[in-house]
Amino acid sequence: AQTVTQSQPEMSVQEAETVTLSCTYDTSESNYYLFWYKQPPSRQMILVIRQEAYKQQNATENRFSVNFQKAAKSFSLKISDSQLGDTAMYFCAFMKTRHEKLTFGTGTRLTIIP
Amino acid sequence: GAGVSQSPSNKVTEKGKDVELRCDPISGHTALYWYRQRLGQGLEFLIYFQGNSAPDKSGLPSDRFSAERTGESVSTLTIQRTQQEDSAVYLCASSLVGGRGSSYNSPLHFGNGTRLTVT
Repeated sequence: AQTVTQSQPEMSVQEAETVTLSCTYDTSESNYYLFWYKQPPSRQMILVIRQEAYKQQNATENRFSVNFQKAAKSFSLKISDSQLGDTAMYFCAFMKTRHEKLTFGTGTRLTIIP
Repeated sequence: GAGVSQSPSNKVTEKGKDVELRCDPISGHTALYWYRQRLGQGLEFLIYFQGNSAPDKSGLPSDRFSAERTGESVSTLTIQRTQQEDSAVYLCASSLVGGRGSSYNSPLHFGNGTRLTVT
């Protein structure tokens, strides 16, 4: 079974600074997908970024980028120029290529300080 | 277009009562998921529907929990004889799956959840 670990329950950073959220996972699969989801107080889960394991290049979406280290089974999220609207819970998630169930980590509560 | 819709938004019920939670997925999405999120915790997989295939019920915590889906539309999650430990936010998500043999996995689109409180 796959497991996803987020070792930082809470983080805070000053507005406009850069912050990195860590995520590690355990799997015997060679091909899979990784995701970061954001959950603001509205409760809705919003996809931030995704990474396909067979791609070497790290995914980037505007101010959000990942550092994917396949051998180390690490998938960290970097948020650059952080904004107040980035305050939310962030969940790392794993999905097998041909089995679409998402396995989530326990989340990191990120607070952006004005 | 409309996103995933869940109702009710909040539900308070007495211990021992049955509750029914509803999810309307995005039109055309063949896959539908239910997750449970206890306070301050991550998302716990409950059940997954994909088209006409048998649902993956491996995450249902007990036989008090059941779910149905009508074709590729609405789904209901039923909890019988509710217990206080059932208190949580129940999240529904849908996705457009590429099909068997496809390497494409579309992202999940989540609803805003139903907050269930069992008193």
